Amino acid sequence: LAKTTQPISMDSYEGQEVNITCSHNNIATNDYITWYQQFPSQGPRFIIQGYKTKVTNEVASLFIPADRKSSTLSLPRVSLSDTAVYYCLVGDINAGNNRKLIWGLGTSLAVNP
Amino acid sequence: NAGVTQTPKFRVLKTGQSMTLLCAQDMNHEYMYWYRQDPGMGLRLIHYSVGEGTTAKGEVPDGYNVSRLKKQNFLLGLESAAPSQTSVYFCASSPTYRDRGKSNQPQHFGDGTRLSIL
Repeated sequence: LAKTTQPISMDSYEGQEVNITCSHNNIATNDYITWYQQFPSQGPRFIIQGYKTKVTNEVASLFIPADRKSSTLSLPRVSLSDTAVYYCLVGDINAGNNRKLIWGLGTSLAVNP
Repeated sequence: NAGVTQTPKFRVLKTGQSMTLLCAQDMNHEYMYWYRQDPGMGLRLIHYSVGEGTTAKGEVPDGYNVSRLKKQNFLLGLESAAPSQTSVYFCASSPTYRDRGKSNQPQHFGDGTRLSIL
């Protein structure tokens, strides 16, 4: 079975770069690796996804090594509004005919003034 | 843009009661999902649907049933509620476009239904 591991919590300060790494093994070979952000009392919100190498959008970058056994979400110059829980999501290589999505347990990021 | 709308937002049930949670999306997405989120356990997939009239089991389907009679709606039913089903339930939808055979497209979530079972 696929399994994901990410840090439970992280602390940072405004203006710093934050990198959150998710380790994942036995993931589906044809699935994207996806990251979501969740604020209290809201549903998760898509941030970024990638397959291999590096992907960048207006809010984050995602680094995925060739073996796809980990991924690192990079948030440049965080602000107080980036305080949230961040989840990685992968597909299970052993899902068979039923889709099995494996969510990380989330990293609670606290950005301090 | 409404996106994904879940009703109700809150509900308290007694053990043994039944209820249906409604999810509606206006993005013409093929895929829809129901999750539950519990402290320390992250998001767990209950059931999902790849299109109108189809449903499939996720990771934790026991005690729940679903129906997808219309493309825009995905219903989650609890036939006989149990305290262990106290949770926050999230519905999500995603498109099915394929990029060089890759799947797991971005999901759009509702704001959740907070369900307490006494």
